[in-house]
Amino acid sequence: RKEVEQDPGPFNVPEGATVAFNCTYSNSASQSFFWYRQDCRKEPKLLMSVYSSGNEDGRFTAQLNRASQYISLLIRDSKLSDSATYLCVVTSYSGAGSYQLTFGKGTKLSVIP
Amino acid sequence: DAMVIQNPRYQVTQFGKPVTLSCSQTLNHNVMYWYQQKSSQAPKLLFHYYDKDFNNEADTPDNFQSRRPNTSFCFLDIRSPGLGDAAMYLCATSRDGQGYGQPQHFGDGTRLSIL
Repeated sequence: RKEVEQDPGPFNVPEGATVAFNCTYSNSASQSFFWYRQDCRKEPKLLMSVYSSGNEDGRFTAQLNRASQYISLLIRDSKLSDSATYLCVVTSYSGAGSYQLTFGKGTKLSVIP
Repeated sequence: DAMVIQNPRYQVTQFGKPVTLSCSQTLNHNVMYWYQQKSSQAPKLLFHYYDKDFNNEADTPDNFQSRRPNTSFCFLDIRSPGLGDAAMYLCATSRDGQGYGQPQHFGDGTRLSIL
């Protein structure tokens, strides 16, 4: 099982639609979780951290399910500008006082007019 | 204003010719990272510095080296680039190590092409 796994998509959705992405992680001791967005040929940019209680930022909602080891990202009222690749990122303890940050391969979203 | 700055944005070098990519930050963060990202793949961590302490990933080729002369600057040196090293190279920073659960801030990246 891959450490951090995402459906690569692409997800093609019409403007105004609601779309949800899931990301599963294999290390049950994982500690911190993030969603980044990456536009084509650009750098990853932090979208939001994911907290145990779930968190919302405008049209974006992130949830964490530790029991099932997945995080989700919900985008409501999709805009054309939401078209990007969404990267799931997980921090895990890797031993000897070190922590490892692992990226998923990303889920590509295309919002269509 | 950009807080993590990478230069150049695009770099073309010849097969086997050493190349250096640079990264600077105005955030005064303790940790600086170098990633390699190829098309449709996740960023792959090459190494990171926690302050002056260098941490190499086990699978990073010896061809890749790094220097951090001060808090603000970090360099990626590729001693003998091969065709397989063509990629986007991303520099990132975080205030503290990953154990503190802090996000990383990325520069715009340098896209390296090998002729």
